[in-house]
This record gives sequence, C-alpha cells and structure tokens, in this order.
Amino acid sequence: NAGVTQTPKFRILKIGQSMTLQCTQDMNHNYMYWYRQDPGMGLKLIYYSVGAGITDKGEVPNGYNVSRSTTEDFPLRLELAAPSQTSVYFCASSYWGTGANVLTFGAGSRLTVL
Amino acid sequence: GQQLNQSPQSMFIQEGEDVSMNCTSSSIFNTWLWYKQDPGEGPVLLIALYKAGELTSNGRLTAQFGITRKDSFLNISASIPSDVGIYFCAGRSPPGNQFYFGTGTSLTVIP
Repeated sequence: NAGVTQTPKFRILKIGQSMTLQCTQDMNHNYMYWYRQDPGMGLKLIYYSVGAGITDKGEVPNGYNVSRSTTEDFPLRLELAAPSQTSVYFCASSYWGTGANVLTFGAGSRLTVL
Repeated sequence: GQQLNQSPQSMFIQEGEDVSMNCTSSSIFNTWLWYKQDPGEGPVLLIALYKAGELTSNGRLTAQFGITRKDSFLNISASIPSDVGIYFCAGRSPPGNQFYFGTGTSLTVIP
C-alpha cells in the first residue's frame, strides 16, 4: 500500500517557468489537500478538493492552480514561478465520513525558484 | 485563516526526561491531531483526538483535548534519541473541513 505519492521530490525552476507537482493516493480517500511549508512555519493550505471535479481555495492559493479529474490524482500547477514559491510542498489525503478524519501526507516535493 | 499558537518553539532535553508541548486556538475545534516530522519526510500522525476532555495514549505519548475545546497538549515520557524531530498540532473547527497547523515544536534529545 503506497499511501500518498508525490513527484518530483526535488525541482529547481527559473523565474517565470511553469511546472506541475503530481500527487496520487491509493487509499480511496475522497478529500485531498496541498500544503506548503516554509522554514519555521507550520503548514499552510493552498487548495483542497472534496471529490473529483470539486476544488476550493485554502489560505494561500495565489499563484497556483489545481484540478481533480479522478479520485486518485490531485496535481498542483505553478504557472509563472516566483522566488516566493520556493518551499516544500506536501500533498495529503483523508477519508471524510463517519469515524476517523485524519490527514495522511506524502513525502514532500522541495521546489526552488531562482 | 485560523491561528494556532504552539509552544515551546524548541526544546533541548536529556535522554530520559519527559516533554510537554501545547497548542492553543482562538476558535473552538472539534478535532485535534498531533504529527511528527523527521527531516526530509512528510508529517506522520501520532495521535488523533475528537472529543473535549479526551485523553489518548500511543506508547510513551499522551495527548489531551482541552475541555475548552481551544487547546490540546502532547506529553512524551522517558524521551529517547529517536524522538528527535518537529512536532505539529493541527486542528479543525466546525463546520469547515480544513485543518490548520501550528508552527511546530523542534525537539532535540541529548544522549
């Protein structure tokens, strides 16, 4: 059981470039999330999805886009990379229903924008 | 977004000592989660709490959901070197489905 898988693990971008961070989960979770983590800070929510075809903004959505075409996949798109987007990005998923509602995280994607 | 105040920011302790950390919120939460993050890894769930006053243990770890529903505590007993890492609290306030995170407590255990 792989859980939440993120790719790539590391990436360096030039200012203005675009890229997509991939996230897939095999736990049949309905909810998926993207967080960013900056040094000394907690995790800040970028976007989340409550199911295929449904997405919503979190605390820090500017500069990012998401889509959720399947239950398993939730890619995060950076259209015009800026130095302020240098961060570690974590994808997470959860099953929202009766019982335990907890977040399961991927291993993270470290992005540097130069 | 919600502000979670987590303290202390860092701790340096001797192996074998007990550790306590806490999180407070300005809003009422209906779920509190505690995570541990090792360098280069994603956070891993330690304990989940769903009811005010709930006290839950996971080995040497014990966490409590405050009765005011605005705070939570994590205690680690008899610390060992592998306890080193960053500990995060996370909370969810009704009726939302977003989890908000504290800024973390960095724990260093000195052998």
